[in-house]
Order: sequence, then structure tokens, then C-alpha cells
Amino acid sequence: AQSVTQPDIHITVSEGASLELRCNYSYGATPYLFWYVQSPGQGLQLLLKYFSGDTLVQGIKGFEAEFKRSQSSFNLRKPSVHWSDAAEYFCAVAAGTDKLIFGTGTRLQVFP
Amino acid sequence: DVKVTQSSRYLVKRTGEKVFLECVQDMDHENMFWYRQDPGLGLRLIYFSYDVKMKEKGDIPEGYSVSREKKERFSLILESASTNQTSMYLCASTSPGLNTEAFFGQGTRLTVV
Repeated sequence: AQSVTQPDIHITVSEGASLELRCNYSYGATPYLFWYVQSPGQGLQLLLKYFSGDTLVQGIKGFEAEFKRSQSSFNLRKPSVHWSDAAEYFCAVAAGTDKLIFGTGTRLQVFP
Repeated sequence: DVKVTQSSRYLVKRTGEKVFLECVQDMDHENMFWYRQDPGLGLRLIYFSYDVKMKEKGDIPEGYSVSREKKERFSLILESASTNQTSMYLCASTSPGLNTEAFFGQGTRLTVV
């Protein structure tokens, strides 16, 4: 069965620092991969997605993610974090059905 | 502006009550989902529906049922609420296909006392 692992529960960075959030998936074939962000008190918003082609995908708010099949990873990156990026980030996979399977999330805290 | 609207942001119910959580989308999406969000557990799928009157169990359907009588509306029902169903509930909708974006409501925080 497909699954998603986000090994980091909580990450703290300083404003202006670079960021990488880890995501590993389990699925036999090529997965459809997503990153969503949830700001406090809000629903989830799509940051970016990958399903084929270039393994480096660009998203909104300056985020990017790289699909690495050999490592079963889809890590999210941002070169310079802003205080408004503080939120919870979820990696998700869609495979075999139209269902989205989510990871447990990573809470990002940004210090000024 | 596309929207998924959940009828309540906050609900407080008593143990044993029958609880209805309502979700409406205005994007003519075929697929609708109910997730439960708990700290450290992420989003877990309760039920989803891919067409009117069609439904499938997700990963944690026990204690819940759903209803989809119209395409735009998907209801989650707690037949007899229990304290372990205190949680944040999120509704989402998508068009068919694996690479489509899911649109989420703002969530309903349910407290069962």
C-alpha cells in the first residue's frame, strides 16, 4: 500500500535561512506527489505537484521540490524563508485511485 | 473564487449525540473527501465519494457514515458521538484524476464532551 513519511515533526529556522522539508513515499510505480501548506486556522493549500517530466518542480510562494526516484523522496525547499512561511506542511501521494494519502506533517517555526 | 465550505468552524456536542458535518463545493467536482486531522497523525481519510450516492471507506471509517445525495454536498455523520471523535475535520473535493489539485474547506473543530 502507498504511504508517505515525513520524518521531521517540527523544524525551526531563522528568517532568511534556507529550508528543506523531507518526504519519503512508498509506492511501486511512479507516484503523483504533492506538497500542501496549512496556515493556522486554515484549510490546506496546494504548493506544488509532480507527476511526470522534469524532476525539479516549482511552486507558489518561492517553493520548489525535487523528485528522486532512487531515494523515494520528494523534498521541499526554499532558499530564503520568510516569517509568513510559518505553517504546517504536508506531503501527499496519489496512486492507484483518486485518493490522496498524507504524511503526518512538519510544523515550521520561523524566528526573526 | 473556488470554494469548499464547511457549515461550522466549531462544534461542541455531547457524548451519544448524532452529529452532522456538512460540506458544499461549488466547482462541480466529482470527488469529495472527509479527513480527520489530529496532532502527530496528519490527515487520515474517513470516507470518500466519487459520484452521487457512491461512497467508499477510507482508512478510519469506524463510527462514521456519509451521505451524498447531491453532487455539491457531502455530509459526514457521527451516529453516536464519542469523546475520541474530538478532532479537526476537513472536507476536500477534486475533479477525477491522480494529478488534480484538492481544494479544502477551512475545517470543523469538533469537541465531544
